Amino acid sequence: GENVEQHPSTLSVQEGDSAVIKCTYSDSASNYFPWYKQELGKGPQLIIDIRSNVGEKKDQRIAVTLNKTAKHFSLHITETQPEDSAVYFCAATNILTGGGNKLTFGTGTQLKVEL
Amino acid sequence: NAGVTQTPKFQVLKTGQSMTLQCAQDMNHEYMSWYRQDPGMGLRLIHYSVGAGITDQGEVPNGYNVSRSTTEDFPLRLLSAAPSQTSVYFCASSSTPERHNEKLFFGSGTQLSVL
Repeated sequence: GENVEQHPSTLSVQEGDSAVIKCTYSDSASNYFPWYKQELGKGPQLIIDIRSNVGEKKDQRIAVTLNKTAKHFSLHITETQPEDSAVYFCAATNILTGGGNKLTFGTGTQLKVEL
Repeated sequence: NAGVTQTPKFQVLKTGQSMTLQCAQDMNHEYMSWYRQDPGMGLRLIHYSVGAGITDQGEVPNGYNVSRSTTEDFPLRLLSAAPSQTSVYFCASSSTPERHNEKLFFGSGTQLSVL
């Protein structure tokens, strides 16, 4: 089955700096890679996703890049703000075999944005 | 605008007791799933369903049962609770890949403690 590794486990940045979280996956059949943000006491919320036919996707301050050859994908947050502080999870799946439901998650990154 | 609703939010059980975690969605999503979240391990898939009457096992199904009699509801049953089932449980739903919308919506979670 799929295995997703995520680094770093904790990340502390100054407000306004950029943050980068990296994930690798093992199954070359995976074709959908979402990123989730989880605030304390809440369920994960999708912030951005990318399909395997795209190398990069951007949404305001958030971007995701995908390198299929190396089997890794990354989340980039620019101009970080205190409200970006949360746990971030990457995930991978083959959407043809289970839609977006059968996700394999990374172990999470605790991002802290300091003033 | 309810989305995915989980009940209860908190539950304490004694070893050997049984209970059902409830999950309902009002988005007419075909796909539903249950994940558990443990510290340092991300989210792991327990069971999932691609439609009413159809369920399948995920990564960690032992000790749990599910059924899907309606599109809206997907309860998770613990037959004989064990301390190893102490965790936070999340229900999620999504549309089908054919609709090109894989976004997974999560409920707010149930925190379960088994003593």
